[in-house]
Amino acid sequence: QQQVKQSPQSLIVQKGGISIINCAYENTAFDYFPWYQQFPGKGPALLIAIRPDVSEKKEGRFTISFNKSAKQFSLHIMDSQPGDSATYFCAARGTSGTYKYIFGTGTRLKVLA
Amino acid sequence: GAGVSQSPSNKVTEKGKDVELRCDPISGHTALYWYRQSLGQGLEFLIYFQGNSAPDKSGLPSDRFSAERTGGSVSTLTIQRTQQEDSAVYLCASSLTKGEKLFFGSGTQLSVL
Repeated sequence: QQQVKQSPQSLIVQKGGISIINCAYENTAFDYFPWYQQFPGKGPALLIAIRPDVSEKKEGRFTISFNKSAKQFSLHIMDSQPGDSATYFCAARGTSGTYKYIFGTGTRLKVLA
Repeated sequence: GAGVSQSPSNKVTEKGKDVELRCDPISGHTALYWYRQSLGQGLEFLIYFQGNSAPDKSGLPSDRFSAERTGGSVSTLTIQRTQQEDSAVYLCASSLTKGEKLFFGSGTQLSVL
């Protein structure tokens, strides 16, 4: 049973544009929502993360928006660059004591030069 | 080492053979996770270790899959009687106790012929 739904599956953006990736979760027993970036042949790397007690977190060109009531969160990449071309995964961490992360299915982003 | 190390990086095996995948986490990281990434898919949770114990092994797909961790460090994922559907990238990640930042290895690409 998929507990974190991610969209779109793929995204093409012009250089300098804004990339937006959305995730929705079903289980309320999550306490931490990270985004991971993965380049081909590499493991995912933490990009930015948010806790449910805040609605927005910004780090450089990357912003997470979090809507607790709607159980949705999104990643915004401002001024997208070709080097941002990668696969992005949202995730949610469980609070049941196992600290298990449930990942979305990923979004393949391509930024055109 | 500086990061999570996985070996081998690539493994080709014949259907029905057993395989062992190894993960060396970052020194001092007590939490260790195994995930499976199939082509075009997200990260599928397999098992989580805290120290040498596995409080959550709910993601192991069948009894052909097992994992152990010794000395609170190295972990081995074993797949017995491999099947073609086991072909995937197997990722290992480690983190400090409460797992807020996962550090992933580059994975083992398993191909079952």
